[in-house]
Formats: sequence, C-alpha cells, structure tokens
Amino acid sequence: DAGVIQSPRHEVTEMGQEVTLRCKPISGHDYLFWYRQTMMRGLELLIYFNNNVPIDDSGMPEDRFSAKMPNASFSTLKIQPSEPRDSAVYFCASSLTFNQPQHFGDGTRLSIL
Amino acid sequence: EDQVTQSPEALRLQEGESSSLNCSYTVSGLRGLFWYRQDPGKGPEFLFTLYSAGEEKEKERLKATLTKKESFLHITAPKPEDSATYLCAVQASNAGKSTFGEGTTLTVKP
Repeated sequence: DAGVIQSPRHEVTEMGQEVTLRCKPISGHDYLFWYRQTMMRGLELLIYFNNNVPIDDSGMPEDRFSAKMPNASFSTLKIQPSEPRDSAVYFCASSLTFNQPQHFGDGTRLSIL
Repeated sequence: EDQVTQSPEALRLQEGESSSLNCSYTVSGLRGLFWYRQDPGKGPEFLFTLYSAGEEKEKERLKATLTKKESFLHITAPKPEDSATYLCAVQASNAGKSTFGEGTTLTVKP
C-alpha cells in the first residue's frame, strides 16, 4: 500500500519565485494536512482539508501561501512570491477519519535563496 | 488554546539504559493523544494512540501511558536503532486537527 507521496523532495529557488509543492494522499483517506517544520518552531499545521474542502487555514502565515485540493488524490501548496524565511521542510499528511492517526509523507525540503 | 510540552528536549542513553519521555498537555476535552517517531530526513511515523486516562499501549521496547495531564513514553533496554525524535500530539474533542509538541530527540549509544 503506497504511503503519502510528496514532490519534489528538495527545492532550491531564488527569492521572489513561485514555489509549488505537491501531495498525493493515501487512497480512501478523507483528511489531508499540510505542515511546516523548522528548528525554531517545530511542526506547525498550515491548513487541513476534509473531503477536498479546506476546513481550517488559520495556520497559513500570509496571503503568499495558498493551498488547493482539486480532487481526493491530489493537493498543492503554493508560495508566491517566496521569501528566505519560508525555508523549511514541508510535510503533507493524511488520515482515514478525524480521530485516526496521521500518515506523513517524507516532506519537501525547501530552500529560498 | 491547546498546548503540548515535551521534556526533555534531548536525551542521551547508553544501550540498555531504560528511561522515560514526558508529554504534558492542556486541551479542552481530549479526543486522543498520539505518539510518533521521526527519523532524520523522514516524516513522522505513527506509534500509538491513547484515548483515556489509565490506558497503556506497548510495542517492542516502547510503552505509552496516559493520565489526565500527561503521557509518558517508556523505553526499556533501548538499542541504538531506537535513536530518533519522538513527537507527541493531542487532538481536542471539538477539533479535526492535532497540536504537536516540539519533540524529544533520543540518542542511544552502543
């Protein structure tokens, strides 16, 4: 059974560029979560979806960040324009229902120069 | 606001030296408490879910326990392969999301 798949694994880009991170959740999972992890702030929830609908985006730091889930098998997190302080590891996770454990992808390590 | 505090931040043990990791939490009605293990360069991997005070779960050398205010992850006779960062997360009864602690980084020396 394939786990959560994220791409790319690494992204290095210059400040001001648009960055798009991609996630394929586990088939049949109703919930999808986007997190950001840094040494300073740990694992922070950015946004989560239930059945493709955004439920809570209170963790999205600024309007530069946006997330979509056009169907049950695909989600994107976009940063436009990117800034050096956006450098972090971004994780996508999915869960079967709201009270089940989350299954994480291996993350995208993002570096903004 | 839900809060999770893990201690210690880092723990170094000799192989075979048992110890415990702590997760203290404040939540408005606990739906579940989750323990995860995270290896370098990987995403967190689920270990246990605890739902009510007094509950215990075990897996190999790990045992998780839960009270109304905290959870412990007991590691018995650890091995070097147990070295990782252990994360605790809580989910409130009125939420679909979890709040994560900062983690405890465990290093087990042979």
